[in-house]
Amino acid sequence: KAGVTQTPRYLIKTRGQQVTLSCSPISGHRSVSWYQQTPGQGLQFLFEYFSETQRNKGNFPGRFSGRQFSNSRSEMNVSTLELGDSALYLCASSPDGEGNSPLHFGNGTRLTVT
Amino acid sequence: QKEVEQNSGPLSVPEGAIASLNCTYSDRGSQSFFWYRQYSGKSPELIMSIYSNGDKEDGRFTAQLNKASQYVSLLIRDSQPSDSATYLCAVMDSNYQLIWGAGTKLIIKP
Repeated sequence: KAGVTQTPRYLIKTRGQQVTLSCSPISGHRSVSWYQQTPGQGLQFLFEYFSETQRNKGNFPGRFSGRQFSNSRSEMNVSTLELGDSALYLCASSPDGEGNSPLHFGNGTRLTVT
Repeated sequence: QKEVEQNSGPLSVPEGAIASLNCTYSDRGSQSFFWYRQYSGKSPELIMSIYSNGDKEDGRFTAQLNKASQYVSLLIRDSQPSDSATYLCAVMDSNYQLIWGAGTKLIIKP
């Protein structure tokens, strides 16, 4: 079974631009979560989607948004990029995002904002 | 504010010794507990999951859970240099929110 696939792997953007990251979950997984990780920081939860609905949201500004499609694939968008948005963005999927289901992570997208 | 606490380390352990990683959590209603390993520049990888009190063994790894003390640990026997990584503790709280610790950096010295 294929794992979680994130594209692109690397991205360089300029301040003020916007970016869209993509995530394809493991087949059959309906929950997709997004995290931001910066050097020396733990995983910062962005949001979680289940059946095309945002079920949980972390403490990030409205510039960070996401969506999930009917095939469970998900995208996240960051508008008006800031230098501080440079980070590793991780997508993780699970069957239902509840109870005993662990998250399975993709390889991440490393975003650099210059 | 629900929290998961880990010693940031680094924890330095000689090759072949037992590495002991600890994690405490604040939500007494938490039911599911996970240990992830993250190599530098890579994504977290699930090592162990544990759901009931006691020990759970998988190869060189043993997870220990004590819900009364709100404590979960990961033991790595016969530590190898390839075990050098950051270990993340994650706890599913009573609201099905996954709360992450900041991670413990483990260094295995040859």
